[in-house]
Amino acid sequence: GENVEQHPSTLSVQEGDSAVIKCTYSDSASNYFPWYKQELGKRPQLIIDIRSNVGEKKDQRIAVTLNKTAKHFSLHITETQPEDSAVYFCAAPRGDFNKFYFGSGTKLNVKP
Amino acid sequence: DTAVSQTPKYLVTQMGNDKSIKCEQNLGHDTMYWYKQDSKKFLKIMFSYNNKELIINETVPNRFSPKSPDKAHLNLHINSLELGDSAVYFCASSHGRGNTIYFGEGSWLTVV
Repeated sequence: GENVEQHPSTLSVQEGDSAVIKCTYSDSASNYFPWYKQELGKRPQLIIDIRSNVGEKKDQRIAVTLNKTAKHFSLHITETQPEDSAVYFCAAPRGDFNKFYFGSGTKLNVKP
Repeated sequence: DTAVSQTPKYLVTQMGNDKSIKCEQNLGHDTMYWYKQDSKKFLKIMFSYNNKELIINETVPNRFSPKSPDKAHLNLHINSLELGDSAVYFCASSHGRGNTIYFGEGSWLTVV
């Protein structure tokens, strides 16, 4: 997505390690930042999201951090497990309506 | 209960044919979308409808024509199919602005 930059495109970690995926957005009016997980052959599914009035949100092994000044947000997965292997997408809205642009995706491979 | 359902799931057709994909959501959402996911996994917005009105048309060839008979349905008709149209098409919906997008299971279109 040209309005949301996502890095890295691939990430390989050992089981139990942490994984971090970063996204940068362009529209300073963006106020909602979801992360989606897409397993092979399946639909993207929301795993965590954050709104612009907070800087961090956690849900068990996953967390999202937001830096509005720098216009970037990150997904953190701790104690990775093989079932975390998937493609992860960040997204951010643009414009004055519900127009979401997705990052280009990160393929996470967790090696047992 | 499937929240966002789309049919067919798989579609193989010849170049030049016309085909339709149907989508329905039972979440009571007022906004629906079509996204295209190509072989490189990029998720690109094609159209967005709010309460049956077209809101977004993202430089999609006019061979693609969405239609929303009511706010729970958004169909996609494609004329004169080309090889490059082969992709997974995801229908999605959300409630208002800046809220979570829920995806359907996807329709795998292969043009031969």
